[in-house]
Amino acid sequence: AQKVTQAQTEISVVEKEDVTLDCVYETRDTTYYLFWYKQPPSGELVFLIRRNSFDEQNEISGRYSWNFQKSTSSFNFTITASQVVDSAVYFCALSGLNNNDMRFGAGTRLTVKP
Amino acid sequence: DSGVTQTPKHLITATGQRVTLRCSPRSGDLSVYWYQQSLDQGLQFLIQYYNGEERAKGNILERFSAQQFPDLHSELNLSSLELGDSALYFCASSAGTGYTDTQYFGPGTRLTVL
Repeated sequence: AQKVTQAQTEISVVEKEDVTLDCVYETRDTTYYLFWYKQPPSGELVFLIRRNSFDEQNEISGRYSWNFQKSTSSFNFTITASQVVDSAVYFCALSGLNNNDMRFGAGTRLTVKP
Repeated sequence: DSGVTQTPKHLITATGQRVTLRCSPRSGDLSVYWYQQSLDQGLQFLIQYYNGEERAKGNILERFSAQQFPDLHSELNLSSLELGDSALYFCASSAGTGYTDTQYFGPGTRLTVL
């Protein structure tokens, strides 16, 4: 079975702080993909990143960075120098070879205060 | 803007009624997925269509049905509506059929059942 756990329900930071959103996953698949999506207050789901299970290289995109560690089954997301516009719910998701659907975590609500 | 469109944006109806939600995928995408987002269940995969054929089924109730038309747009039909069906319904699309694909989400349809 596939499962994604985002243990942090809510995080509140002050602008310019760095913040890390945790994601831990479970899967029996050897080939799988991990995703992060952002859901701002307007409600749409915005794709941020996709990472396959064979690529453990960390990725940086502007103020966003992702740390994939297979050994701990984690795919954590860090926002550097957070901004008010980063306030949103962030979802981690997993899809695997032997499953029909993409499994989402429960989401982490990030509030960035000015 | 993901390129996925959904109509209507909001829908208010009464228990026992039937509604149809519509989705147009991104240009060139052949797969359409439907998800339900509610406070208690989170983001749940309902069903996937690929090029007109049902590809995968998730936690979709028997009262719900979907189809994908030759022009690739999809409709989700919800019947005998109950209060618990109130939720945000997302459509997503991807180029291919499977777990390696990135799914791009539409803005959602917020359904309120009174």
